[in-house]
Amino acid sequence: DAGVTQSPTHLIKTRGQQVTLRCSPKSGHDTVSWYQQALGQGPQFIFQYYEEEERQRGNFPDRFSGHQFPNYSSELNVNALLLGDSALYLCASSLLAGSSYNEQFFGPGTRLTVL
Amino acid sequence: GENVEQHPSTLSVQEGDSAVIKCTYSDSASNYFPWYKQELGKRPQLIIDIRSNVGEKKDQRIAVTLNKTAKHFSLHITETQPEDSAVYFCAASDSQGGKLIFGQGTELSVKP
Repeated sequence: DAGVTQSPTHLIKTRGQQVTLRCSPKSGHDTVSWYQQALGQGPQFIFQYYEEEERQRGNFPDRFSGHQFPNYSSELNVNALLLGDSALYLCASSLLAGSSYNEQFFGPGTRLTVL
Repeated sequence: GENVEQHPSTLSVQEGDSAVIKCTYSDSASNYFPWYKQELGKRPQLIIDIRSNVGEKKDQRIAVTLNKTAKHFSLHITETQPEDSAVYFCAASDSQGGKLIFGQGTELSVKP
């Protein structure tokens, strides 16, 4: 049973560029949440996708957008990259439909460096 | 707004001692409180969680307590081992299946 996977592992971009990060949820999960973790900080919630729609959104600008596909996998897109976007981007999956639990399981993350 | 405060930021204990990490939350609607362990360069791993309908939960050497009136919850690790060394994060969620609000993290060091 595969856990949450993310790609790529590392990414280096320059200011102003655009980036797409990918996430495949744990088998049997239907919900994907994205978090940004700056060095030495706790993860910050970006948004959550369920049934191919954005269900919740954190305090991030519109430069951050996402998508969920019919197979529950998800993408995070960041436009017009800033130096401050350098961070570890974590994807977490969970089961929402028919469940009373909120256990979120994290992927290994994508380390984004903006130069 | 929603906020989770976590203390201490660093904690050093001798192997075999107990460790306690405390968190307070601001949103009274929070009803789910997980704890994650993150080793250097690795993903956060869920180690234990508690829901608002119970006051305490235990899993081997790890226990979590919740005081909803005071809006705080704590992680207790007994008989610490060097492999317990990591950064621990508390979190709170205000809706079923929704976003997690994380604390700032506690770096635990267990000295052999």
